[in-house]
Amino acid sequence: GAVVSQHPSRVICKSGTSVKIECRSLDFQATTMFWYRQFPKKSLMLMATSNEGSKATYEQGVEKDKFLINHASLTLSTLTVTSAHPEDSSFYICSAFNVGGGRPNEQFFGPGTRLTVL
Amino acid sequence: SQQGEEDPQALSIQEGENATMNCSYKTSINNLQWYRQNSGRGLVHLILIRSNEREKHSGRLRVTLDTSKKSSSLLITASRAADTASYFCATDGSGNTGKLIFGQGTTLQVKP
Repeated sequence: GAVVSQHPSRVICKSGTSVKIECRSLDFQATTMFWYRQFPKKSLMLMATSNEGSKATYEQGVEKDKFLINHASLTLSTLTVTSAHPEDSSFYICSAFNVGGGRPNEQFFGPGTRLTVL
Repeated sequence: SQQGEEDPQALSIQEGENATMNCSYKTSINNLQWYRQNSGRGLVHLILIRSNEREKHSGRLRVTLDTSKKSSSLLITASRAADTASYFCATDGSGNTGKLIFGQGTTLQVKP
């Protein structure tokens, strides 16, 4: 099956610093990737749609200047949390569409990145 | 915004019993999917049911969809301790954007 990786799996940083999270589709191409965040014991909330070669589309209420998304290739999207604050601490999960896959409606999810801002 | 509501929020059963989780949604959909998430891990896709389907099976999983009631159910038969996880439904909305809107999830505990 299609595999999506995220790096790092866990990161702890100080307030005010920026953190970059990578999402890679390992064995398929993904023109579209999605970024979600999940608070403890809560559901996933869609943050933005990452499109290869174009600007990301952000959901209402998500600050685009705080959560920078870059989708530079068909296998890589990055999410940068700028000037991180403790309230940004969360579990960030990406997903990718398998372009040309046999089940086009199926998204493949990365294992998630646990961000803790001190 | 989250449109899916799931019930129960938490379910605890004994191994061997069946577990039923329900999901309701608000808008028109193309399909509905169920995912599983072990604590602190990513999501695993379980099953997709299209809007023109009413029931689908995969192993010990049975999913139903009632578009008139905008609801779906996931049944896990003969549960195992390894089924302990959170289960989420997700809908794609009527457009073909690929965006998924997740339900609040049901936390299932299967006691050995």
